[in-house]
Amino acid sequence: KNEVEQSPQNLTAQEGEFITINCSYSVGISALHWLQQHPGGGIVSLFMLSSGKKKHGRLIATINIQEKHSSLHITASHPRDSAVYICAVIRGAQKLVFGQGTRLTINP
Amino acid sequence: DAGVIQSPRHEVTEMGQEVTLRCKPISGHNSLFWYRQTMMRGLELLIYFNNNVPIDDSGMPEDRFSAKMPNASFSTLKIQPSEPRDSAVYFCASSISGASGETQYFGPGTRLLVL
Repeated sequence: KNEVEQSPQNLTAQEGEFITINCSYSVGISALHWLQQHPGGGIVSLFMLSSGKKKHGRLIATINIQEKHSSLHITASHPRDSAVYICAVIRGAQKLVFGQGTRLTINP
Repeated sequence: DAGVIQSPRHEVTEMGQEVTLRCKPISGHNSLFWYRQTMMRGLELLIYFNNNVPIDDSGMPEDRFSAKMPNASFSTLKIQPSEPRDSAVYFCASSISGASGETQYFGPGTRLLVL
């Protein structure tokens, strides 16, 4: 079993829908990253969080340390949000362990 | 800032050849990471450096892989000899080290194809 599990693996939605991507992990962590990988392959860090919630524009990330679970939400989704979203947990000081990614497609 | 710079962006080589991937981290960052991404295994950490010193190389697949960081502004990942199963996208990332992790900034990646 992977240390980091994401669901769903693939998600297709219509423009404007509210999107939720989930991440569960089975190990102790110091923090968690949400990353976005564009269709061209570039990777951007969206959030790093160790507790509570963070918001940036239409993106919201939450984490529940006790339940070992994090969610990434996108409000008013747009086709430009189409990408692979990757959850990564930080083991120790800086070592990232990645989930398998969620491929999101937003249709106009 | 130009961000993390990787070269080459694409590399096609034949099995048995030596491959060298290069990375220039963001100026002022003191942690550097090498990752590999494949369809089968997703993203994996290969090795990371802190202040030019290798901290964790447990992800390096085997002796054919080696990484160096001779100074704060340059790192290499070498594969010798290369094999078709090494075909992947190799990402370099850098960050400012601190308590409990810091945001990592990824380079554009090097797409390697070993024939």
